Amino acid sequence: EVQLVESGGGLVQPGGSLRLSCVATGFRFSDYSMNWVRQAPGKGLEWVAYISFGRTTENYADSVKGRFTVSRDNAKNSVHLQMHSLRVEDTALYFCARTPYGSSLSFFDYWGQGTLVAVSS
Amino acid sequence: QLVLTQSPSASASLGASVRLTCTLNSGHSSYAIAWHQQQPGKGPRFLMKVNSDGSHNEGDGIPHRFSGSSSGAERYLTISRLQSDDEADYFCQTWVNDIVIFGGGTKVTVL
Repeated sequence: EVQLVESGGGLVQPGGSLRLSCVATGFRFSDYSMNWVRQAPGKGLEWVAYISFGRTTENYADSVKGRFTVSRDNAKNSVHLQMHSLRVEDTALYFCARTPYGSSLSFFDYWGQGTLVAVSS
Repeated sequence: QLVLTQSPSASASLGASVRLTCTLNSGHSSYAIAWHQQQPGKGPRFLMKVNSDGSHNEGDGIPHRFSGSSSGAERYLTISRLQSDDEADYFCQTWVNDIVIFGGGTKVTVL
């Protein structure tokens, strides 16, 4: 069974940093590209970042470019999102999501349950 | 700029059918989309990918009550024999070049 479990969320002050993690089980992690998607309270979904299975490609939404960095550790079946210069508008539930096998940036076939990031003074 | 448009809400009675629409903006009518369901308090769940020719590929374990189709720039998700746990938000999603786009979502209420 495919499972994606996020962690690392919490309360942080504006301008602060936070590192999110997502551990994957139930599939050969190194064969799949991964994404982060967020959802502000009561709002819709917003794609944040993508990393290819071989770590050769990273893509970011304009709203986080230059502040967030996605990385992965295929030996530990994990993907991370390092967030710097956090803003109030970054407050959201952050989901880890898998891209189907053999695909580059496209759609998501499995999702985690999310980890909550709250940016507030 | 690629935009996906969804109606904010839809409703139908228990056991009935409902069809949700996701509309691609002008110049993007050939794009495939994906449908995702998000039940209250849960993470999203992939339902299916719908291509411009109407062909679709369902996610693992998705009941046959969920089906997809296309017409021009519109992509549809039809839910048949509505059940109470179909009450959820439904998002369409597509991708172009280096970005992913979501529609605003449709909240489905089962009466």
